[in-house]
Amino acid sequence: DIQMTQSPSSLSASVGDRVTITCRASQGISNSLAWYQQKPGKAPKLLLYAASRLESGVPSRFSGSGSGTDYTLTISSLQPEDFATYYCQQSETFGQGTKVEIK
Amino acid sequence: EVQLVQSGAEVKKPGESLKISCKGSGYSFTSYWIGWVRQMPGKGLEWMGIIYPGDSDTRYSPSFQGQVTISADKSISTAYLQWSSLKASDTAMYYCARRARYCSGGSCSHNFDYWGQGTLVTVSS
Repeated sequence: DIQMTQSPSSLSASVGDRVTITCRASQGISNSLAWYQQKPGKAPKLLLYAASRLESGVPSRFSGSGSGTDYTLTISSLQPEDFATYYCQQSETFGQGTKVEIK
Repeated sequence: EVQLVQSGAEVKKPGESLKISCKGSGYSFTSYWIGWVRQMPGKGLEWMGIIYPGDSDTRYSPSFQGQVTISADKSISTAYLQWSSLKASDTAMYYCARRARYCSGGSCSHNFDYWGQGTLVTVSS
């Protein structure tokens, strides 16, 4: 089974900051990676799929990149509504999550 | 509009059985896999298994194989997750989600594009 290691587990940032979250796979996954945002008490929301493709309706400040085993979610300018927990997913495996908190 | 609507919260005792549901609408229910995801209190997301309602083909995570049963009734566009004997450790939020597939350059990526609102299952004596 492919293991996904997501980092950091949490981070503190200010509105307007650039934020980067990383997922590393235990073997190459050929861009087969999705990113989700989850707010407290809500279901996860798909942000990006196939590593870099933005889901319809998701703001363009969210972007994804990577190849092979290493992938990144970037929020170019953090907005108040972006404070949430973010998860990567490769097929049957989710990353451990990254909680983005207000500094 | 694609919607997945889950059944309501449940409070059960250890050893009891339970079946929760997820009704799809706004799309061809038999053409997409439906998955179930567990989220224990304060914890992350866990992939439990998926079912293809068109033919009831089902796949389980090894962690959940034998612990739960996933089924579907395509005549009413509903997927189910059931337990025969609940444990306190089954206390969690359970989400259903539609699995989408994107293929490019010979490789395919799977993700969950639409999610139900979640069903909270509490198991306590």
